[in-house]
Amino acid sequence: QQQVKQSPQSLIVQKGGISIINCAYENTAFDYFPWYQQFPGKGPALLIAIRPDVSEKKEGRFTISFNKSAKQFSLHIMDSQPGDSATYFCAARGGGGYQKVTFGTGTKLQVIP
Amino acid sequence: DGGITQSPKYLFRKEGQNVTLSCEQNLNHDAMYWYRQDPGQGLRLIYYSQIVNDFQKGDIAEGYSVSREKKESFPLTVTSAQKNPTAFYLCASSIDYYRGAGANVLTFGAGSRLTVL
Repeated sequence: QQQVKQSPQSLIVQKGGISIINCAYENTAFDYFPWYQQFPGKGPALLIAIRPDVSEKKEGRFTISFNKSAKQFSLHIMDSQPGDSATYFCAARGGGGYQKVTFGTGTKLQVIP
Repeated sequence: DGGITQSPKYLFRKEGQNVTLSCEQNLNHDAMYWYRQDPGQGLRLIYYSQIVNDFQKGDIAEGYSVSREKKESFPLTVTSAQKNPTAFYLCASSIDYYRGAGANVLTFGAGSRLTVL
């Protein structure tokens, strides 16, 4: 199964708070887990990514936590800012006969002042 | 600046018409992709191309066609056979389809929004 399940569908967080988006997968052949950020009317852009042999990766205010045994990974946005308001997609690469990227359904984040 | 250029940004189509969306990249990437984005459904792969003159169907290829005559260009035609074409279409590219850490790290264009009247 190539699915990547993402939750929540939408999220409202106050400025300075922590935003948490969760994803789960089934295919253990996935070998790379990127997160993309998309602003309205724009294409998604790579935000941060992790490999399954690492449990956590941090870049500035953005952290990916990865739980290989549970087949789950999550994005944490610390000190959330109004400029972080966007749609976030988790994704997973690999599985099957080629390096396909499978996307989650997206989380619309709104950070309110 | 290197990147992906999609045109037009907005396109309106009457039922029964074919329309072609343009995608050009100057990143010297080998692989190119077309995705369709609908609210609440994420990004779904329409077609991908690993190399010039070769392309493969993705998950939702019915009603679409592509060509890859040049490395830089990967146009998508939405045919009249596509029953629900209203969507946001995204073109992407990556360095190499198979090789190493860069494989399938996708760079996206700004998208084209197609509306059927």
